Amino acid sequence: ELKVEQNPLFLSMQEGKNYTIYCNYSTTSDRLYWYRQDPGKSLESLFVLLSNGAVKQEGRLMASLDTKARLSTLHITAAVHDLSATYFCAVYGEYGNKLVFGAGTILRVKS
Amino acid sequence: DTEVTQTPKHLVMGMTNKKSLKCEQHMGHRAMYWYKQKAKKPPELMFVYSYEKLSINESVPSRFSPECPNSSLLNLHLHALQPEDSALYLCASSQGGRGPQETQYFGPGTRLLVL
Repeated sequence: ELKVEQNPLFLSMQEGKNYTIYCNYSTTSDRLYWYRQDPGKSLESLFVLLSNGAVKQEGRLMASLDTKARLSTLHITAAVHDLSATYFCAVYGEYGNKLVFGAGTILRVKS
Repeated sequence: DTEVTQTPKHLVMGMTNKKSLKCEQHMGHRAMYWYKQKAKKPPELMFVYSYEKLSINESVPSRFSPECPNSSLLNLHLHALQPEDSALYLCASSQGGRGPQETQYFGPGTRLLVL
């Protein structure tokens, strides 16, 4: 059974600081997804990482994928309050359509 | 247009009521999904429709009944729910549906409260 683990589960950051969220998964997969969810809102697609070594950046967020290590990272640079949200990574299971999510990382950026 | 719409936004129902949640997309996607999300938890897959056929049912209780009238619409019929069914119900869609692994686009959700 596919397992997706994120850490940390809760992250309190000061504005302007850098930090990394980690996502490990238990089965081979050539792609990984990162989503953002604001409180009471739906999920917004942030990144699709399609191959080993893939790196994508959007603003202060940069995501990377190492398929050999079954590890993805979401790096936050110079955090700002607007980045406060819950971040989920997700990987497809063995049977095509089932997307399995990590537990989520609650990010709070303090002024 | 990467929009998935859901109605209603909020729903309060008693345990004897029958109600339906609706989801619509006009992106030409052929796979549609229902998820249930409890507070501070990740979304849990309930059902997948691929080319208007039910392809995955994650052992969901029969009080939840999905329906896909056409490729753009997805319904979730609710009957005799329990208070523990209170949650955010999310609809999503993706392009293909026959095994390819694609980005799923989520609707805004229906927040359901069962009294």
